[in-house]
Amino acid sequence: QSVLTQPPSVSGAPGQRVTISCTGSSSNTGAGYDVHWYQQLPGTAPKLLIYSNNNRPSGVPDRFSGSKSGTSASLAITGLQAEDEADYYCQSYDNSLSGFWVFGGGTKLTVL
Amino acid sequence: QVQLQESGPRLVKPSQTLSLSCTVSGGSISSGGYYWSWIRLRPGKGLEWIAYIDDSGSTYNNPSLQSRVTLSVDPSKNQFSLRLRSVTAADTGLYYCAREERNDDFQNWFDPWGQGTLVTVSS
Repeated sequence: QSVLTQPPSVSGAPGQRVTISCTGSSSNTGAGYDVHWYQQLPGTAPKLLIYSNNNRPSGVPDRFSGSKSGTSASLAITGLQAEDEADYYCQSYDNSLSGFWVFGGGTKLTVL
Repeated sequence: QVQLQESGPRLVKPSQTLSLSCTVSGGSISSGGYYWSWIRLRPGKGLEWIAYIDDSGSTYNNPSLQSRVTLSVDPSKNQFSLRLRSVTAADTGLYYCAREERNDDFQNWFDPWGQGTLVTVSS
């Protein structure tokens, strides 16, 4: 019951392309608020992967890309590698109530 | 680079207060341009933003937790803290501290994060 909806799991073979969706509503992503993405490798802290919809912090490979349109955003990973197996979370801002930052429920990426 | 580390009791009894601290290293908590946040991950649920504090001590809480949360900051120790009152088993989870990039129009993101500390609420 997270404010942003993500698929619980996705999978792909090494070298393939996978996408992870993040769907919000008119009070968050649909209101024009940016989407940010985080990668959480097993046993580690979440790490910023994409900020402001489609920007990569320094050090993040260009295999990772983000996009946003309307109420939905997507994270795409090309050239899938075993080390990409992790949990991925999207995040935005919601202007309902008095406003607060919100996350998706997370997507577990399995590299087959 | 900036690093954050949570500390505090791992076991809290129901109805009591959960207290955690976050120590910032590699940079000053008073450097400006940032909020300092707490975020949690509870079993079977996604990440939940709890609250933030800035270096002047101004705070803002998630409306769903507002009445139970208090944050404080100690710039001399480069540390900020969370107190969550009247805890129940539903508050069991991984608690992270994070630096929140302060941008216009609430377009904030969180980077970096601490490693997280698992807090269990149980008698």
